[in-house]
Amino acid sequence: DAGVIQSPRHEVTEMGQEVTLRCKPISGHDYLFWYRQTMMRGLELLIYFNNNVPIDDSGMPEDRFSAKMPNASFSTLKIQPSEPRDSAVYFCASSRARTEAFFGQGTRLTVV
Amino acid sequence: SQQGEEDPQALSIQEGENATMNCSYKTSINNLQWYRQNSGRGLVHLILIRSNEREKHSGRLRVTLDTSKKSSSLLITASRAADTASYFCATDEAAAGNKLTFGGGTRVLVKP
Repeated sequence: DAGVIQSPRHEVTEMGQEVTLRCKPISGHDYLFWYRQTMMRGLELLIYFNNNVPIDDSGMPEDRFSAKMPNASFSTLKIQPSEPRDSAVYFCASSRARTEAFFGQGTRLTVV
Repeated sequence: SQQGEEDPQALSIQEGENATMNCSYKTSINNLQWYRQNSGRGLVHLILIRSNEREKHSGRLRVTLDTSKKSSSLLITASRAADTASYFCATDEAAAGNKLTFGGGTRVLVKP
């Protein structure tokens, strides 16, 4: 398996634009997590899914953030409209229940 | 909010020395996991210890878990320059259905 695949690896966008981050989890994993990492806040859990259903989105910072998982092999995290304070590295991870999570390489988002 | 908190925040040692870092958490857990992150990369799973286990070994890594104190420690023996990285603990919260939350991390520098 190629592991968790995220795209794009880097994204630079202007304030106010819509940003969509993509994630392909490892086949057979039934949990998918979205994290955001910044120097100030560390690694924050934004939302996680079980069998494509959102379980906990309490970490999503604002209504500008939304996440979907239309099927077991694809998830998106969307920010609309984006703001400079959204600049961070966004990680996707997948796992089976009660086991280790496998992380993608992350998307470095810069909003100018 | 972060479930786990690592201590110390940063650690600098000479190659060959041991490195110890601690993690404290707040709620009941199913398991506790340790991850490593090299600069600019995704997190890599190191070891998982279940709530009914007290100690676990993997190569040069030794993890302990004290559920009565809600704390864990990670010991890296005979450190190498390649061990330079940030180390994070993560907790799988018992009441939250496989919710995996991370602490702030310990930055370890191993000097050759």
